[in-house]
Amino acid sequence: KQEVTQIPAALSVPEGENLVLNCSFTDSAIYNLQWFRQDPGKGLTSLLLIQSSQREQTSGRLNASLDKSSGRSTLYIAASQPGDSATYLCAANSGAGSYQLTFGKGTKLSVIP
Amino acid sequence: EAGVAQSPRYKIIEKRQSVAFWCNPISGHATLYWYQQILGQGPKLLIQFQNNGVVDDSQLPKDRFSAERLKGVDSTLKIQPAKLEDSAVYLCASTYTPGQASSYNEQFFGPGTRLTVL
Repeated sequence: KQEVTQIPAALSVPEGENLVLNCSFTDSAIYNLQWFRQDPGKGLTSLLLIQSSQREQTSGRLNASLDKSSGRSTLYIAASQPGDSATYLCAANSGAGSYQLTFGKGTKLSVIP
Repeated sequence: EAGVAQSPRYKIIEKRQSVAFWCNPISGHATLYWYQQILGQGPKLLIQFQNNGVVDDSQLPKDRFSAERLKGVDSTLKIQPAKLEDSAVYLCASTYTPGQASSYNEQFFGPGTRLTVL
């Protein structure tokens, strides 16, 4: 059974700092890994999806990496802004043909102006 | 392209009452998922549909939860009777048929329904 862990649970940084969010998963047989953003009281916004054959994906100030063999993914946010404050969730897509997402509990990010 | 639609956005009920949530996936998406997200937790899969068939409902509390997708498009999730611990956000997601190269298996989520059981 896939299990996903995110560290840290909460993070507070001053505006402008670069930061890294960590995600680990127990079953390396994944199809892909997705990073999501969730604002309070809102649904999930997909940020990046990394296929199992890829090592990283970039979108603007975001860069996500994937190391399947070690069961780890990181989300790097460059030059953080107050608008980046949200909860970031990673999810491993696996399940022997059923393509199901297993989520971590998320990292709550606060960027202080 | 319209996103995943869900209604209602908010619902407050008393315990032992029943409630239903509705989801309309992105057009052309064959697979539909319902997730439950309790405050402070990540979403947990309740049920997965492929067209109008159930792929996996192993985590659905079947004594009180039911879901259907009769015509393979929109779906309804019902809770009867509700318990206090059912208070959560219920998220619907959809994707193209998993495994097809064109889809990349990316799941798209709706805004969710926030349920409060008093």
